Amino acid sequence: DVKVTQSSRYLVKRTGEKVFLECVQDMDHENMFWYRQDPGLGLRLIYFSYDVKMKEKGDIPEGYSVSREKKERFSLILESASTNQTSMYLCASSFRSYEQYFGPGTRLTVT
Amino acid sequence: DQQVKQNSPSLSVQEGRISILNCDYTNSMFDYFLWYKKYPAEGPTFLISISSIKDKNEDGRFTVFLNKSAKHLSLHIVPSQPGDSAVYFCAASSSYSGAGSYQLTFGKGTKLSVIP
Repeated sequence: DVKVTQSSRYLVKRTGEKVFLECVQDMDHENMFWYRQDPGLGLRLIYFSYDVKMKEKGDIPEGYSVSREKKERFSLILESASTNQTSMYLCASSFRSYEQYFGPGTRLTVT
Repeated sequence: DQQVKQNSPSLSVQEGRISILNCDYTNSMFDYFLWYKKYPAEGPTFLISISSIKDKNEDGRFTVFLNKSAKHLSLHIVPSQPGDSAVYFCAASSSYSGAGSYQLTFGKGTKLSVIP
């Protein structure tokens, strides 16, 4: 079974803090994705990566950056957290297919 | 501009009856469609998919229908069970997007409640 793990299930941070969300997949998948899920807005793509050190902006990249130094790990960085970044963050991976495997999510609250 | 639309935020169905979840899309370049199911506090899980070369795909109690001319797809669940209560997301992709990214565009989701 494919396993996608995220570093934290729940996180509380203060406005202005730098926040790191980590995602690890164990199936040698090439593609990795970061989404946020908000009520009434569905899943929106923040960034994705199709290879090590490669990254592409999704639909809502503002306020975020990413890092992919190793194939199995994809990090989402909030340079200076703001309250409007309070959300559920979901990581996913895929291997040469449209079917993406998701992690359990990180509920981030910025106060 | 919302390219994948799920116009019903919620749906309630009696146990044993059919659940029909609908999805419309606007981008004619989309050629692969998926349905995901999401329980609270969990990540979405893949349910079923369909390529644009087909108009129907079936997997057990789940069937997806695609009407390309209407740019519409639907997910049928028969019979519905209480464990099917979840949020269902429709997603679409285009093989023309390049870079091998297999990027998906998701709808906003429909919350299905199956009443025992």
